[in-house]
Amino acid sequence: DTEVTQTPKHLVMGMTNKKSLKCEQHMGHRAMYWYKQKAKKPPELMFVYSYEKLSINESVPSRFSPECPNSSLLNLHLHALQPEDSALYLCASSQGTGYGYTFGSGTRLTVV
Amino acid sequence: SQKIEQNSEALNIQEGKTATLTCNYTNYSPAYLQWYRQDPGRGPVFLLLIRENEKEKRKERLKVTFDTTLKQSLFHITASQPADSATYLCALVEYGNKLVFGAGTILRVKS
Repeated sequence: DTEVTQTPKHLVMGMTNKKSLKCEQHMGHRAMYWYKQKAKKPPELMFVYSYEKLSINESVPSRFSPECPNSSLLNLHLHALQPEDSALYLCASSQGTGYGYTFGSGTRLTVV
Repeated sequence: SQKIEQNSEALNIQEGKTATLTCNYTNYSPAYLQWYRQDPGRGPVFLLLIRENEKEKRKERLKVTFDTTLKQSLFHITASQPADSATYLCALVEYGNKLVFGAGTILRVKS
């Protein structure tokens, strides 16, 4: 298995809702990432997990809460989002420094 | 400030020609530089990685060069095809395995 699987593919949520994005990989990669991508912009790093521990938080608002239950799974819990948080949320994994990243197809999030 | 700059304009070329995309960076000292392809609504796909001590890397019709003195990488697609049309992203690895992307260049190959 050489893929990163993200669910759901599309999500519409209200500003008072709580939802979660899920990401799964079975390549044995020990680093996993969340990126946010707005239209016509490059992906922007949000969080880095290394060996299941949060190693980088790019000053992301607390309404985004990451979780790494095990080495294959990465979640992003969403609460009280704003319309400006609407974007494509990408999960990625890698073997570590010096290797390419494998990205999932993303979750298209719309906050209404 | 740190910057990763790619051709801001879309690159339009004829099928069969070589496409050359540029990536310039300032205030970085990357150990690695990577290139990705991204199609609309999809995640980036890893193409090539080049290390700071490597001058050139090839993979099939793709070639990447890395000049740490000029702080520049060039990405070439030879014998380009309409299927090569996409956005190409240059990315640098910072500390903590943090991958930072340039804005990307849109490539359009016309038949």
